[in-house]
Amino acid sequence: GESVGLHLPTLSVQEGDNSIINCAYSNSASDYFIWYKQESGKGPQFIIDIRSNMDKRQGQRVTVLLNKTVKHLSLQIAATQPGDSAVYFCAETSGGYQKVTFGTGTKLQVIP
Amino acid sequence: KAGVTQTPRYLIKTRGQQVTLSCSPISGHRSVSWYQQTPGQGLQFLFEYFSETQRNKGNFPGRFSGRQFSNSRSEMNVSTLELGDSALYLCASSQLAGGDNEQFFGPGTRLTVL
Repeated sequence: GESVGLHLPTLSVQEGDNSIINCAYSNSASDYFIWYKQESGKGPQFIIDIRSNMDKRQGQRVTVLLNKTVKHLSLQIAATQPGDSAVYFCAETSGGYQKVTFGTGTKLQVIP
Repeated sequence: KAGVTQTPRYLIKTRGQQVTLSCSPISGHRSVSWYQQTPGQGLQFLFEYFSETQRNKGNFPGRFSGRQFSNSRSEMNVSTLELGDSALYLCASSQLAGGDNEQFFGPGTRLTVL
């Protein structure tokens, strides 16, 4: 069945460096992708999204890249800060239903 | 504007019991989705309600059920609890149904089954 997976379970980066979190998906019908951040004790928080007709989208300090050819999604965080420490999930939906499939999550640790 | 609220925040039950969890969406949001989060399985979609109708359902047994009220508040029920039902149950709301509407998550209800 469809799956959304992450390449690395834990990523450690120095404060101020850029972070790149990767995600692979298998459903070629996926048309909408989202990155969420989940801090300890909280629910996931929307970071940025991208539709399948785009290959790049930028937000504040974050950029999402989508490569439909290899079914790969990445989240880039510029100038990583201690407050960025959290678990990051990629997610995808396909069709017009509110069914969202989440990846397994990557824990980002920022080293001061 | 108040965020998504879930009650209770923590719950301890024993095997065989049933439990009801509640979710109040953001004012004006008509879609509510439920997710189960465990260390082993991650975040898994349970079901989604819009205007009191279940629009989509994940791959969970019939012991898991839900409903939505006319004020968009939603409840989910788990009957005959099993140890494996221990998880964080998350509720998310969005203005409209459809996969491309931003979802806002609540803090979750931590259910422990003993």
